[in-house]
Amino acid sequence: NAGVTQTPKFQVLKTGQSMTLQCAQDMNHNSMYWYRQDPGMGLRLIYYSASEGTTDKGEVPNGYNVSRLNKREFSLRLESAAPSQTSVYFCASSRTGTGGHEQYFGPGTRLTVT
Amino acid sequence: GENVEQHPSTLSVQEGDSAVIKCTYSDSASNYFPWYKQELGKRPQLIIDIRSNVGEKKDQRIAVTLNKTAKHFSLHITETQPEDSAVYFCAASSTYNTDKLIFGTGTRLQVFP
Repeated sequence: NAGVTQTPKFQVLKTGQSMTLQCAQDMNHNSMYWYRQDPGMGLRLIYYSASEGTTDKGEVPNGYNVSRLNKREFSLRLESAAPSQTSVYFCASSRTGTGGHEQYFGPGTRLTVT
Repeated sequence: GENVEQHPSTLSVQEGDSAVIKCTYSDSASNYFPWYKQELGKRPQLIIDIRSNVGEKKDQRIAVTLNKTAKHFSLHITETQPEDSAVYFCAASSTYNTDKLIFGTGTRLQVFP
């Protein structure tokens, strides 16, 4: 049971380049999330998916797109990277339903945009 | 908008002492309040959570209290140990969707031997 996996672990991009961050979970969870973590800012939700084929914006969606490819996979795309997108990106998954559920996080991707 | 404030941003204690971290939330409809621990270079992991129908929850050395009237909740760690050193995040569920969480900005706890 791998839990939540993310690739790549590290990435350096030049301004204007594009890339896709990959995330997969093997816990049969319906809900998946993408967060960014910046020093002093905590974790901020970029996008959320309640099920395959559905996505919803979070607090900081500008500059990002997502795809919920199937129940297991949820990818995050930067179309034209900017230095302000330098951050650590975490994917997470959880059960769905009222009352709230534990979110399980992946190991993170450290992205630097120069 | 929805907001969670967390204090203090850093906390240093001697091993064996207690540590308390406090959070306030803005939306009275929030009903789920988890706490996550993040060790240096690692992923956040849930350590305890509480729902709005409960005022206090305890798990060994950690406890969480919730005051819905005042819209604040706190994490209490007793008999701290060096391995408790980490960044702790509180969170509150969004009004619109309890799967969505609004996180506080984190507290860096250092426990000195």
